[in-house]
Amino acid sequence: AQKVTQAQTEISVVEKEDVTLDCVYETRDTTYYLFWYKQPPSGELVFLIRRNSFDEQNEISGRYSWNFQKSTSSFNFTITASQVVDSAVYFCALSEARGSGGGADGLTFGKGTHLIIQP
Amino acid sequence: DADVTQTPRNRITKTGKRIMLECSQTKGHDRMYWYRQDPGLGLRLIYYSFDVKDINKGEISDGYSVSRQAQAKFSLSLESAIPNQTALYFCATSDYLYDEQFFGPGTRLTVL
Repeated sequence: AQKVTQAQTEISVVEKEDVTLDCVYETRDTTYYLFWYKQPPSGELVFLIRRNSFDEQNEISGRYSWNFQKSTSSFNFTITASQVVDSAVYFCALSEARGSGGGADGLTFGKGTHLIIQP
Repeated sequence: DADVTQTPRNRITKTGKRIMLECSQTKGHDRMYWYRQDPGLGLRLIYYSFDVKDINKGEISDGYSVSRQAQAKFSLSLESAIPNQTALYFCATSDYLYDEQFFGPGTRLTVL
């Protein structure tokens, strides 16, 4: 079955520092997608990025960047020049095909990393 | 108006009561999902549905049931609520297998 590990339970940095959130996944499927979601204090889940297993190119969106490495089964998320508004819980998630690897459909989430940006 | 709505947003109930949480979507998606979120555990899949005739159990379906009344509606029921079902419940929809899932605002359920 698939599994997503976010080893960092909580990270606290001072505003303007760079911060990297780690995500390690396990799957037996060759076709899968990885996601990052943000959950601000208001509680809603905000989609950040989707990456398929065949595309290992890094992606940058403003202050956000993602590093996908199949060799280490990692999909890490970096925020450059962090801001107080980045404070949230961030979830990494994995989706693989129905029935493949014994896993169910839907997303398998990591336990989340609580990011605190101090002013 | 929100694309994925959940009712109620908050509910406090007592052990043994039957509870229904409702989800409606206007996105026209076939796929719908129910997750629960517990502090420190992330989100876990309860049930999912690919269309009105296709219902599937997720990781933690025990103690729950669902009904897909229409493409746009997917309800989650707790037949006899227990305190460890106290959690934040999210409904989500997606257009196809690997697509982004769109989440509702969540229902905070407390079982006393």
